[in-house]
Amino acid sequence: GDSVTQMEGPVTLSEEAFLTINCTYTATGYPSLFWYVQYPGEGLQLLLKATKADDKGSNKGFEATYRKETTSFHLEKGSVQVSDSAVYFCALTSGNTPLVFGKGTRLSVIA
Amino acid sequence: NAGVMQNPRHLVRRRGQEARLRCSPMKGHSHVYWYRQLPEEGLKFMVYLQKENIIDESGMPKERFSAEFPKEGPSILRIQQVVRGDSAAYFCASSGAAPNYGYTFGSGTRLTVV
Repeated sequence: GDSVTQMEGPVTLSEEAFLTINCTYTATGYPSLFWYVQYPGEGLQLLLKATKADDKGSNKGFEATYRKETTSFHLEKGSVQVSDSAVYFCALTSGNTPLVFGKGTRLSVIA
Repeated sequence: NAGVMQNPRHLVRRRGQEARLRCSPMKGHSHVYWYRQLPEEGLKFMVYLQKENIIDESGMPKERFSAEFPKEGPSILRIQQVVRGDSAAYFCASSGAAPNYGYTFGSGTRLTVV
């Protein structure tokens, strides 16, 4: 079945550092890909998405490009802030199937 | 313009009691999904419902767990005879159409079984 693999956390960075969180997937057909963010004690919020190969999703300085050839959807941000500290989840859906999530990557940004 | 509303936010039950979790989807959304999150783990899909229909319950334990989404009112996730292992955060999400539009999540219900 469909699956998502994320890099293990936690990831600790200094403010203004460059962020990459790796995400690879296995799916039948052509899935839609998502990044969600979860702040402490809250639900998940959609951060960005891409629905077809070579699409780039972007929001709040975060970007991810749908790479069909490498089955990847890595999350990047050029300069992180303390307020970006959260857990980030990569997810996919193939057609009408419910979203499948990775295990999440905890990011801590220190001033 | 309320989002997905879940209640209660926190629920404590003794072993053997019933837990009832409620979810009101975003206005205009007719698809509801329930997920369970254990500490330091990702979200595990439980069940997908549309109004009055269960579309996919492949992630739901066969015993003690049930879900409904009636024509009127919120979706309900019911756990009978709770055990300590049921302690988790339960999240509800809704979407207006097919899942590839993305979901809107509620803030979750944190169930503690003592």
